[in-house]
Amino acid sequence: DQQVKQNSPSLSVQEGRISILNCDYTNSMFDYFLWYKKYPAEGPTFLISISSIKDKNEDGRFTVFLNKSAKHLSLHIVPSQPGDSAVYFCAATPYSGGGADGLTFGKGTHLIIQP
Amino acid sequence: DAGVTQSPTHLIKTRGQQVTLRCSPKSGHDTVSWYQQALGQGPQFIFQYYEEEERQRGNFPDRFSGHQFPNYSSELNVNALLLGDSALYLCASSFRGALFDEQYFGPGTRLTVT
Repeated sequence: DQQVKQNSPSLSVQEGRISILNCDYTNSMFDYFLWYKKYPAEGPTFLISISSIKDKNEDGRFTVFLNKSAKHLSLHIVPSQPGDSAVYFCAATPYSGGGADGLTFGKGTHLIIQP
Repeated sequence: DAGVTQSPTHLIKTRGQQVTLRCSPKSGHDTVSWYQQALGQGPQFIFQYYEEEERQRGNFPDRFSGHQFPNYSSELNVNALLLGDSALYLCASSFRGALFDEQYFGPGTRLTVT
């Protein structure tokens, strides 16, 4: 049973446009959500996160939106750049207030930025 | 500032053998988590170590075991290897006292079981 779902295995976006990556979850205990970016032959790199007490978090070109009632989050990248081409993973965890729980990951979305 | 390091980079083992993978956490981190990433899948949580004890475990059989040393580094051991254990094994570190749960990943060890 997949608790975190990324339904688009791949997404192609033109350079300079907005990239929107989507993620759905089923476990109501999840309280903290993270996005990771992964290049081939490298480990995932932390990108941005959001706690369930917020509905939006921004960091430069990256914004994550959380709709808790719909159990849905999305990552917006504006403007998209060629270096953004990578696999993006959505992850979730119950918030443990300073501890570090195991993360539950989706299968990833391969983002391709076209020049 | 060294990030998370893992060794070896690649490993080929035969079915039935045992393997040990190693991880050094990022400086200042005290918690180590291990993940298995099969081809085309997201990472799956194996277990987490803090204060040299296993604190949390995912849905993996007890063929998978681990250890954390006083310097916070960690080992993942897999016994009686199966073909299905072929995967990228990722180590992630974090600081228990952090407000939020960002985990920082190493480059992984690619294990091939033949």
